[in-house]
Amino acid sequence: GAGVSQTPSNKVTEKGKYVELRCDPISGHTALYWYRQSLGQGPEFLIYFQGTGAADDSGLPNDRFFAVRPEGSVSTLKIQRTERGDSAVYLCASSPIGGDTQYFGPGTRLTVL
Amino acid sequence: QQQVKQSPQSLIVQKGGISIINCAYENTAFDYFPWYQQFPGKGPALLIAIRPDVSEKKEGRFTISFNKSAKQFSLHIMDSQPGDSATYFCAALGADSWGKLQFGAGTQVVVTP
Repeated sequence: GAGVSQTPSNKVTEKGKYVELRCDPISGHTALYWYRQSLGQGPEFLIYFQGTGAADDSGLPNDRFFAVRPEGSVSTLKIQRTERGDSAVYLCASSPIGGDTQYFGPGTRLTVL
Repeated sequence: QQQVKQSPQSLIVQKGGISIINCAYENTAFDYFPWYQQFPGKGPALLIAIRPDVSEKKEGRFTISFNKSAKQFSLHIMDSQPGDSATYFCAALGADSWGKLQFGAGTQVVVTP
């Protein structure tokens, strides 16, 4: 079946702009996660959704980052006033009922010029 | 601070050889230890995982060894193949951590023909 999909695959923006990154989880998966992966590093947790609610947003670096999942399926990560340090690959993962096994999407590579 | 320390940063192994990657952790609340494989431009994919109640788990050419008292675990890739060339991440998860995987920094493995 279809895996986790993320769009766009690449996003180039200018410093100070607003961006939205989209994640389509595996159908039926109630848990959804966002991670950020900087070059040469492991993924770092950003936020976890169980259904429509953010159960844990402790990894969001500051209030410029926000994520929503209004219908419990697709999620959007929103970054305001982008900074060059936001450049990274943003990964989305999903799992059934918050299970241990997380299935990752291919990521969105964000470049802030 | 990184909760899971991974070594080496990179390794080169000949086809047919054994690749060994080590990880260490401090948080005794961790109770699930997966290994992920990542190819360039792709998201991490679960390779194999272990829980602390067993000391070893084997799936095909991949084996996890787990030492609970030392708080260390390792991945062994037997009969390494050029197709195994990828970046490998260890990770850890606590039962009360809402699926917040803590990743190591990764090991880039190159298998030469």
